[in-house]
Amino acid sequence: QSVLTQPPSVSAAPGQKVTISCSGSSSNIGNNYVSWYQQLPGTAPKLLIYDSNKRPSGIPDRFSGSKSGTSATLGITGLQTGDEADYYCGTWDSSLSAVVFGGGTKLTVL
Amino acid sequence: EVQVVESGGGLVQPGGSLRLSCAASGFTFSSYWMSWVRQAPGRGLEWVANIKQDGSEKYYVDSVKGRFTISRDNAKNSLYLQMNSLRAEDTAVYYCARAQYLDYWGQGTLVTVSS
Repeated sequence: QSVLTQPPSVSAAPGQKVTISCSGSSSNIGNNYVSWYQQLPGTAPKLLIYDSNKRPSGIPDRFSGSKSGTSATLGITGLQTGDEADYYCGTWDSSLSAVVFGGGTKLTVL
Repeated sequence: EVQVVESGGGLVQPGGSLRLSCAASGFTFSSYWMSWVRQAPGRGLEWVANIKQDGSEKYYVDSVKGRFTISRDNAKNSLYLQMNSLRAEDTAVYYCARAQYLDYWGQGTLVTVSS
């Protein structure tokens, strides 16, 4: 059971938009920044979003992040088949003194 | 170019020990927190441990406290994870990553705990 809650799977058609939610509590998302990671099949995770809504250099603006209260959301527009991957949210939990991740969301581009 | 490369994984019996290494390059290693994150086969990501720039602060997930020790050698640009009293549930790919954002990850090294 993960500290952060994500939907197990989402799907959408190429070119469409999808959002992935990440729910936590005041000890993690509520008081800390959120990061999002993309893990393509058979590869290491890759940072997509940090500080809840910032993109590292090289990440296209099709990817966006937001945070409100104890929840965060990853948005992906203009879906491509190459976006099929597992997506994870993560943040620091001040009560646990630990980094916590969501269970991951598998994105299928139909 | 920033790179982190893990090594040291392998097959070990339950109760055994293993030491993972991570060689960092392309950035000022001594200026960053560093992390170990693992992923069991077919499962999600699980953070294992963090270490501060000078090694003065370390944090661990509860399931490895007392068994695993994270350390670093800034002169060698290297991060380590000493794993003792290994259990079957420690079987995973172990990734080294640059903290605070986990913005650079290695390719991972597989640790299999089995008799």
